[in-house]
Amino acid sequence: NAGVTQTPKFRVLKTGQSMTLLCAQDMNHEYMYWYRQDPGMGLRLIHYSVGEGTTAKGEVPDGYNVSRLKKQNFLLGLESAAPSQTSVYFCASTPGLAGAPGELFFGEGSRLTVL
Amino acid sequence: GQNIDQPTEMTATEGAIVQINCTYQTSGFNGLFWYQQHAGEAPTFLSYNVLDGLEEKGRFSSFLSRSKGYSYLLLKELQMKDSASYLCAAMDSNYQLIWGAGTKLIIKP
Repeated sequence: NAGVTQTPKFRVLKTGQSMTLLCAQDMNHEYMYWYRQDPGMGLRLIHYSVGEGTTAKGEVPDGYNVSRLKKQNFLLGLESAAPSQTSVYFCASTPGLAGAPGELFFGEGSRLTVL
Repeated sequence: GQNIDQPTEMTATEGAIVQINCTYQTSGFNGLFWYQQHAGEAPTFLSYNVLDGLEEKGRFSSFLSRSKGYSYLLLKELQMKDSASYLCAAMDSNYQLIWGAGTKLIIKP
């Protein structure tokens, strides 16, 4: 009963390094999201996907790229990390727009520090 | 612009009742959502309102007034485990969630 799984849970990077965060969901959900959460601010949407092979920009997409090659996986990449990208990153998924469209299922979060 | 306002922090006593308010301004509206987030953990879904009125779910209830752009989350019979942040989010016409910064609820014995 895994739900949404994020790896890694913690990572420390140096400025300019690259890395990829992996999100995997086993609920057959169509929609997947990457958010960042910073102190004193609401969750901010980075990128999202409404189905396999599709991605779209959210509120704060600069400095990030994503891919959804398989329905169950949504990858978030940082090409050249900057200290401003120090944050907690959450992946979330939802079946779609039927029912309660904003009922998101979140992963445990990935805590990224960029030095 | 789109905006969600909720108090930063509230304190309440174990066994009491607390109401957390949220006001929203969005381009279009497709529902109001409340989430609970314990420190260091992920948000978890609590409630969804799309029509005016009160939705009750055990000790938690959520109210919506679309004409006023207002919602509240009511927590009854407070328990220590209710100490958490409560996130209000409104869904706009593009089905995107606009999130508030969260209300940190502190429960005292």
